[in-house]
Amino acid sequence: DIVMTQTPSSQAVSAGEKVTMSCKSSQSLLYNENKKNYLAWYQQKPGQSPKLLIYWASTRESGVPDRFIGSGSGTDFTLTISSVQAEDLAVYYCQQYYNFPTFGGGTKLELK
Amino acid sequence: QVQLKESGPGLVKPSETLSLTCTVSGFSLTSYHVSWVRQPPGKGLEWMGVIWGDGSTAYNSALKSRLSISRDTSKSQVFLKMSSLKTEDTATYYCAGYYDGTYWFAYWGQGTLVTVSS
Repeated sequence: DIVMTQTPSSQAVSAGEKVTMSCKSSQSLLYNENKKNYLAWYQQKPGQSPKLLIYWASTRESGVPDRFIGSGSGTDFTLTISSVQAEDLAVYYCQQYYNFPTFGGGTKLELK
Repeated sequence: QVQLKESGPGLVKPSETLSLTCTVSGFSLTSYHVSWVRQPPGKGLEWMGVIWGDGSTAYNSALKSRLSISRDTSKSQVFLKMSSLKTEDTATYYCAGYYDGTYWFAYWGQGTLVTVSS
């Protein structure tokens, strides 16, 4: 199985701040034939189901604000929120779909 | 509008078999794939298995011996059965859908909490 490791596990932020969180995979998620990285990001608010934010490592799902930016390739990926809003306080998960899906442990954004 | 909704018992005894149903609307099960994903209280997400549009299945190797996923396309329902339940199987169980050619979970049900306790 591909192991996904997210850091930090939690982060205290202030509104308007730029936030970055990391996701590392135990093997490359870059498929050479199409040059795509098989990685998605989800947001989960308390008591809610996960919501898809980004796929192919950097493609925003329709309706997702452009302050959410996915980047990275191979084994190292980053989710950046350019200016955190109060409604962004949630747990963020990365997920690989190169093989059968596995998720990272999550990064929880909390209010400073 | 794509929707998924899980249903099943909220409480199951250890060693018993869990049966859950995911009822979908807004798409055909023959052209969408449906996975089950679970989340223990306060913990992360674990993919359990998938039934693809062609009806074939695949399972998490850690659960494979206890897990079965099937469907009834005429009722737009996907079923999960997991045997020999343990207390550590207590979790919220989600069904999640994605259409052919994609690999990420675009659509999620609301989830159903299953507690394994005597």
